[in-house]
Amino acid sequence: QVQLKESGPGLVQPSQTLSLTCTVSGFSLTSYNVHWVRQPPGKGLEWMGVIWSGGNTDYNSALKPRLSISRDTSKSQVFLTMNSLQTEDTGIYYCNRRAQDYDGYWSYWYFDFWGPGTMVTVSS
Amino acid sequence: DVVLTQTPVSLSVTLGDQASISCRSSQSLEYSDGYTYLEWYLQKPGQSPQLLIYGVSNRFSGVPDRFIGSGSGTDFTLKISRVEPEDLGVYYCFQATHDPYTFGAGTKLELK
Repeated sequence: QVQLKESGPGLVQPSQTLSLTCTVSGFSLTSYNVHWVRQPPGKGLEWMGVIWSGGNTDYNSALKPRLSISRDTSKSQVFLTMNSLQTEDTGIYYCNRRAQDYDGYWSYWYFDFWGPGTMVTVSS
Repeated sequence: DVVLTQTPVSLSVTLGDQASISCRSSQSLEYSDGYTYLEWYLQKPGQSPQLLIYGVSNRFSGVPDRFIGSGSGTDFTLKISRVEPEDLGVYYCFQATHDPYTFGAGTKLELK
């Protein structure tokens, strides 16, 4: 079955670099797009970026200078790297799968599976 | 960036009541192909968000028919008829028509 699971350091010092891994199973990274979404404690959701099934990436313009998303298809892993971390980067980081459905006329897109999320705390 | 404004911020209901959540966009969400990339997600306490509605009004597999999405252009609504205990949590609208994709700030559905 389809699963995604985020993993990472938990605690990162200010100004350092965050590295997270999203390990997927039940589908191929060359067939589906994987996105990253984060959520500060007690707050709403923020879309961070995507690695498309073809390997290209797009990022939230607010994070683009600091953010990089890559993958290793042989290991079914997607990587998020973000540098110059500040306390406001504290939160839960989710990876999810964006799926496509087609009814013969429209192509529909949606996030159908999410990982459980991994908590990242930026603190000295 | 497209701003999605959700109202109300919180909604107190009695089980069995109807609930209505509005999501207004700062720009039209109709894409050049005619499709509208507007989705609704529910985040239950301590859980990841889960998909309810995609393409404005299409219920995802397994979502009860008491969830109804509607709207067009810049104004969208999620209605929940006969609220049940498992419907409680925070509802988010989401747009993928314009880059960067954005979420609304959320509407918390709680018991009165």
